[in-house]
Amino acid sequence: NAGVTQTPKFQVLKTGQSMTLQCAQDMNHEYMSWYRQDPGMGLRLIHYSVGAGITDQGEVPNGYNVSRSTTEDFPLRLLSAAPSQTSVYFCASSVGQYNEQFFGPGTRLTVL
Amino acid sequence: DAKTTQPTSMDCAEGRAANLPCNHSTISGNEYVYWYRQIHSQGPQYIIHGLKNNETNEMASLIITEDRKSSTLILPHATLRDTAVYYCIVRVAKDSSYKLIFGSGTRLLVRP
Repeated sequence: NAGVTQTPKFQVLKTGQSMTLQCAQDMNHEYMSWYRQDPGMGLRLIHYSVGAGITDQGEVPNGYNVSRSTTEDFPLRLLSAAPSQTSVYFCASSVGQYNEQFFGPGTRLTVL
Repeated sequence: DAKTTQPTSMDCAEGRAANLPCNHSTISGNEYVYWYRQIHSQGPQYIIHGLKNNETNEMASLIITEDRKSSTLILPHATLRDTAVYYCIVRVAKDSSYKLIFGSGTRLLVRP
């Protein structure tokens, strides 16, 4: 199994541009989440999903959209990038709500 | 939502036990305590979790006080590779969903 994969690894955007961060898992996990981590800080939950077709907001959802059309994929969309969204983004998945989360390697995003 | 309080940093000698404390005085009866760690800039790695009984696995032991207001993660024989940021997290239950709220963590330095 590849586990949780994220693409791209690095991305530089200009203010106002849009993009989608990709996240995929091949473990048939129902639960998937997106976090952001700013320098020197802990992770903050952006959005999460408890299964295909179901998503919910986390701590810091503003400026981000998600969808979950399949069990495997959970893309994160930035509609109009802002410098405040410069961060490292981690995707995670787990088999159930009480189980350990597996994290991807992260996407390092810079918004100029 | 229950919050956690951890020391900002700690250090221990290689081969000795590392004891990482966490306060979660507002935890409610059905909330679990999770521990994750993050090595350098990698995605967080699950260590252990528990509800009210002490837990042990191949990586660590988790000691939860009887009143559940605090816990301690024990790495029995710390190695240099255990140098990382350790996060104590209380799992928040919302309906049938779940969220993990990360704090700032404890930066553990294992000295040679």
